[in-house]
Amino acid sequence: GAVVSQHPSWVICKSGTSVKIECRSLDFQATTMFWYRQFPKQSLMLMATSNEGSKATYEQGVEKDKFLINHASLTLSTLTVTSAHPEDSSFYICSARVGLYGYTFGSGTRLTVV
Amino acid sequence: AQSVTQLDSQVPVFEEAPVELRCNYSSSVSVYLFWYVQYPNQGLQLLLKYLSGSTLVESINGFEAEFNKSQTSFHLRKPSVHISDTAEYFCAVSEQGGSEKLVFGKGTKLTVNP
Repeated sequence: GAVVSQHPSWVICKSGTSVKIECRSLDFQATTMFWYRQFPKQSLMLMATSNEGSKATYEQGVEKDKFLINHASLTLSTLTVTSAHPEDSSFYICSARVGLYGYTFGSGTRLTVV
Repeated sequence: AQSVTQLDSQVPVFEEAPVELRCNYSSSVSVYLFWYVQYPNQGLQLLLKYLSGSTLVESINGFEAEFNKSQTSFHLRKPSVHISDTAEYFCAVSEQGGSEKLVFGKGTKLTVNP
């Protein structure tokens, strides 16, 4: 149980275009979703925390207008990378709170901007 | 704010040897502690966690970790590793009564050689 499905698993886009990444909770309601970014051989850096029906809370240094997060329902949260550039190439992972201090992670999205 | 330090970025060992992956944390309040494992191009899977009670916690695949409050450590150990244990391991902390977000260490790449 407590599975988060993340799509796409990889995407290549042209510089200047936008890319949307989806995370769906399949068998539970995710009131809180976390979005992380992971650079090669580095740790996960929290980008933002989204709560269903409200605006996301972004970490310091993360551009709100560039990384748009929407959490419109209890089973879906999306991250849109707007006007993507090569420096946005990274591995993006979503995570949802499950029960008491449990977290389940999506399988990640490898974004390559060319 | 809390922080996590994983002292070893890479740990090579031979199959069936014991291993210890070190993790130290810093926080002004009590914390919950986690170990996650990540295989290439995948999300994170929970290995084990400490919330309260016994300071020694175990996973189903032979790993264990001990919470040491005085040394602010949560080292991960396995008495005999397998080739399949080769992966990236992340230690993470969450503040009790805080924002629920996880703060990760930089990770330790465990490579088990035959």
